[in-house]
Amino acid sequence: DAMVIQNPRYQVTQFGKPVTLSCSQTLNHNVMYWYQQKSSQAPKLLFHYYDKDFNNEADTPDNFQSRRPNTSFCFLDIRSPGLGDAAMYLCATSRGQGSRTQYFGPGTRLLVL
Amino acid sequence: GQNIDQPTEMTATEGAIVQINCTYQTSGFNGLFWYQQHAGEAPTFLSYNVLDGLEEKGRFSSFLSRSKGYSYLLLKELQMKDSASYLCAVRANSGGYQKVTFGIGTKLQVIP
Repeated sequence: DAMVIQNPRYQVTQFGKPVTLSCSQTLNHNVMYWYQQKSSQAPKLLFHYYDKDFNNEADTPDNFQSRRPNTSFCFLDIRSPGLGDAAMYLCATSRGQGSRTQYFGPGTRLLVL
Repeated sequence: GQNIDQPTEMTATEGAIVQINCTYQTSGFNGLFWYQQHAGEAPTFLSYNVLDGLEEKGRFSSFLSRSKGYSYLLLKELQMKDSASYLCAVRANSGGYQKVTFGIGTKLQVIP
């Protein structure tokens, strides 16, 4: 059974057209993360939620926003996608920040035309 | 900040043993993870070390030396399906919360 679900798996958008990626989890974990991973690069943490407490990484562009309306769902909003934002976007969850692992969703691959 | 180094590529033969090294520099260290990532897929958890020593789990083992800032992942009895990228990730205290930073990954190719 899928535990961390990301929809869609593939998303195509146009340059400058807002796009939203979604993540849901059935694990009831209180921490949710969004990572950006470009080809042959390490996953890069954009931000995370600890319950409703939002933590933005210092180098995350303002173009990227996130919402977490409840424990199960978290959204990544890209307000004006640029060509450089084409990447795999990974959602992950953990039970607390000190847990032994993060559980990753399958990712959404974003293509910007 | 954190600095994580691991070889970018390795090749090994089916049935053999391979060791993938990872060195890191960080303050506030609080755990090291190894993940496996097949091309185009999400990372999957392999191992976690927070104390010095060896953790064994089936064909996979992971070692940590905190004083040396060093870890390795050992894969035994290699199978073709083990061809993937192996990501070393370090958790450390950062600005009041615990942050996991990933290395670029080691792309392992298993050949017959």
